[in-house]
Amino acid sequence: GAVVSQHPSWVICKSGTSVKIECRSLDFQATTMFWYRQFPKQSLMLMATSNEGSKATYEQGVEKDKFLINHASLTLSTLTVTSAHPEDSSFYICSARSTGGSPLHFGNGTRLTVT
Amino acid sequence: GENVEQHPSTLSVQEGDSAVIKCTYSDSASNYFPWYKQELGKRPQLIIDIRSNVGEKKDQRIAVTLNKTAKHFSLHITETQPEDSAVYFCAASMGGTSYGKLTFGQGTILTVHP
Repeated sequence: GAVVSQHPSWVICKSGTSVKIECRSLDFQATTMFWYRQFPKQSLMLMATSNEGSKATYEQGVEKDKFLINHASLTLSTLTVTSAHPEDSSFYICSARSTGGSPLHFGNGTRLTVT
Repeated sequence: GENVEQHPSTLSVQEGDSAVIKCTYSDSASNYFPWYKQELGKRPQLIIDIRSNVGEKKDQRIAVTLNKTAKHFSLHITETQPEDSAVYFCAASMGGTSYGKLTFGQGTILTVHP
């Protein structure tokens, strides 16, 4: 079945540094990717929607200059957390779909810890 | 925007009993309603979904019902097993270009006691 590969699965970084998370669709063309954040014992909250070749659309309250999203190809989207702070520590997870009403596929998630 | 409310937040049942989780949504334009099971530290796994043109869908021990008029949908798990223990999330999405943009409920921690 369709697979979405997300890397890294976990990362620890120091406050003030930047971290890049990759989300790749391995056997389908992901025209749209979604990025979610999940704090411990909470639900998944949509951060942004990215369409290949276009600027990402961010949800209200999500800083676009802090969470940089790039979707330059049909198989790769990246989320860069810039100038990370401890409050950015969370589980970040992507999902992807191709066109129409095709199934959604989630990546395995990235556990980010900012010290 | 869409708002999804999920209840209960925790549910404890004995093995073999049934479990029911309920969700309501606010936007009548939503037409896709998936249910996910999430184990600690892992990605959500789709267990069943329903679209707005259907009132009920069943897959072995799992069923989902949808009431479009009342804007609520429910997950039913029969003959529960300890391995059903996990966090369950309902979600809602619109169609068209917004398809896949999920608004999740708050989650239900299901515990099935042997």
